[in-house]
Amino acid sequence: EPEVTQTPSHQVTQMGQEVILRCVPISNHLYFYWYRQILGQKVEFLVSFYNNEISEKSEIFDDQFSVERPDGSNFTLKIRSTKLEDSAMYFCASRTGFTEAFFGQGTRLTVV
Amino acid sequence: RKEVEQDPGPFNVPEGATVAFNCTYSNSASQSFFWYRQDCRKEPKLLMSVYSSGNEDGRFTAQLNRASQYISLLIRDSKLSDSATYLCVVIPTGTYKYIFGTGTRLKVLA
Repeated sequence: EPEVTQTPSHQVTQMGQEVILRCVPISNHLYFYWYRQILGQKVEFLVSFYNNEISEKSEIFDDQFSVERPDGSNFTLKIRSTKLEDSAMYFCASRTGFTEAFFGQGTRLTVV
Repeated sequence: RKEVEQDPGPFNVPEGATVAFNCTYSNSASQSFFWYRQDCRKEPKLLMSVYSSGNEDGRFTAQLNRASQYISLLIRDSKLSDSATYLCVVIPTGTYKYIFGTGTRLKVLA
């Protein structure tokens, strides 16, 4: 069964450092997403990506965040200068059409 | 009003019980609805899509009430393995983003 894969599963970084979270969406999917979930809180939308550009982004997704699909298979989320409050589980998701989204297993980001 | 609202629970039920969760959404023009399941520290996984006519998948039944802007999930004959957080998800019209509720935590007790 095809799945969304994310790497790494856990990343620890120092405050102010840049991190790149990686995702390989399901191959025939067209829409890609990043979500985050702070421990004990709800799953929050960050950004959606379609046709090689951002289609929507939330207030959380400020200038410190960027996304890229560099090679037609990977989908990355970069946080330029991490803050303590960026510590969360980050989920990548993909879908095709108006169907359900499939989520990767997540990257747990810990900023120290 | 929150975009998607759920009772956080927890709902503690004995094995074999029937349990129902509701979820309300604020955007009356919302177009797609889903129930996802999330185990502790894991990714959300699709449980079922919710269709206007209602739909059933084994022990699970989902209903949509557009007039009252709520969706429901009914679980019959609860199993220990049903213990999880159930997430209500809505796609508002004019957007591609999935909006999550806070989730309802279910504990099925032996």
